[in-house]
Amino acid sequence: QQQVKQSPQSLIVQKGGISIINCAYENTAFDYFPWYQQFPGKGPALLIAIRPDVSEKKEGRFTISFNKSAKQFSLHIMDSQPGDSATYFCAASYRDDKIIFGKGTRLHILP
Amino acid sequence: KAGVTQTPRYLIKTRGQQVTLSCSPISGHRSVSWYQQTPGQGLQFLFEYFSETQRNKGNFPGRFSGRQFSNSRSEMNVSTLELGDSALYLCASSSELRETQYFGPGTRLLVL
Repeated sequence: QQQVKQSPQSLIVQKGGISIINCAYENTAFDYFPWYQQFPGKGPALLIAIRPDVSEKKEGRFTISFNKSAKQFSLHIMDSQPGDSATYFCAASYRDDKIIFGKGTRLHILP
Repeated sequence: KAGVTQTPRYLIKTRGQQVTLSCSPISGHRSVSWYQQTPGQGLQFLFEYFSETQRNKGNFPGRFSGRQFSNSRSEMNVSTLELGDSALYLCASSSELRETQYFGPGTRLLVL
């Protein structure tokens, strides 16, 4: 129940295309869903986050879509660029409990 | 503001030894969390400290321990190292519990 399942493990997208990463969870008590971006040799950095009272949040080329009934959320990267090549982690948490991370998606954008 | 700093950045130890890793959070941040990152398991939560108190703990054996000092700096200790402890250990700080976490660059530990 504490797991966050992330897919795919790796993704290759052409420059200018849309990158989509999906996550699913079981615990309906989760109320905070962040996405982190990690470049090689660096720690993860918060990219965008959503709470379950909204179905979508957009920041620039990055959009989180949230489906509360399906217990799924996804990250869309529009007009993907080579600089977006990184590992992306979805996560979930509730109240004062720890944040549970997905296992990550390694994204590679072809120039 | 300076970011989260972790020392050392790289460490090589042998089985059975112990190791202490250090984390200095962003100035003013009172919450520090530790994570283990491995290729197969992703980011796994170790523990979280807030104002010198351990608030949450992950599912790791007792060989993994931590503490936080009054200046919010934190250390984690791993005793009796095993080969499987080889990983990137990440520290993250936030101003309050559950707020945005800011990660350090990590300490890469290799156990031989």
